[in-house]
Amino acid sequence: GIQVEQSPPDLILQEGANSTLRCNFSDSVNNLQWFHQNPWGQLINLFYIPSGTKQNGRLSATTVATERYSLLYISSSQTTDSGVYFCAVADSGGGADGLTFGKGTHLIIQP
Amino acid sequence: GAVVSQHPSWVICKSGTSVKIECRSLDFQATTMFWYRQFPKQSLMLMATSNEGSKATYEQGVEKDKFLINHASLTLSTLTVTSAHPEDSSFYICSARDQRAGRDTGELFFGEGSRLTVL
Repeated sequence: GIQVEQSPPDLILQEGANSTLRCNFSDSVNNLQWFHQNPWGQLINLFYIPSGTKQNGRLSATTVATERYSLLYISSSQTTDSGVYFCAVADSGGGADGLTFGKGTHLIIQP
Repeated sequence: GAVVSQHPSWVICKSGTSVKIECRSLDFQATTMFWYRQFPKQSLMLMATSNEGSKATYEQGVEKDKFLINHASLTLSTLTVTSAHPEDSSFYICSARDQRAGRDTGELFFGEGSRLTVL
């Protein structure tokens, strides 16, 4: 099956800093999503971005499908941005496919 | 976005009992739902694909007799953990896609999750 690798696994930053999280995947995808998992476990949809660039406030994401990677940018980090960020993909095999998740990036924003 | 809701949010049960977790699509119909499991400090692993009106498709290594899935309506899928044991303790999360005409972007939406503790 498709492989998803996220980096870095852990990231500690001061409030106000910018960060870039990376997601590499091993095959063509028809779905790529970024999530933030909050302390209670809920997955918050950040972006649905199988290709192209999107922005939502301080967050933006870019997927270069031909090179099989996606980047999540967080600018002017706040302590509430702390948590685990997951990238998840579904390959282009067709059908109603569930997502394959990376192992996540654990982000800690210190005040 | 589409809303997916799970119930219960958390459950504690004795070893050997069965536990049912519900996953509902609140404002849309879903012919397909997905069940995931997440152990502490690990990623989410797809367990099975729930198909309305037909049998679920299980991922390799997931025991279908242990994790019974029923998708009897277009808004409800249930996961029953049968004869639960402490090693089944985990966070179970479901997801679905809004497949209504004009709204299906391919994006999946997730429930709040259900935390199971087996004593």
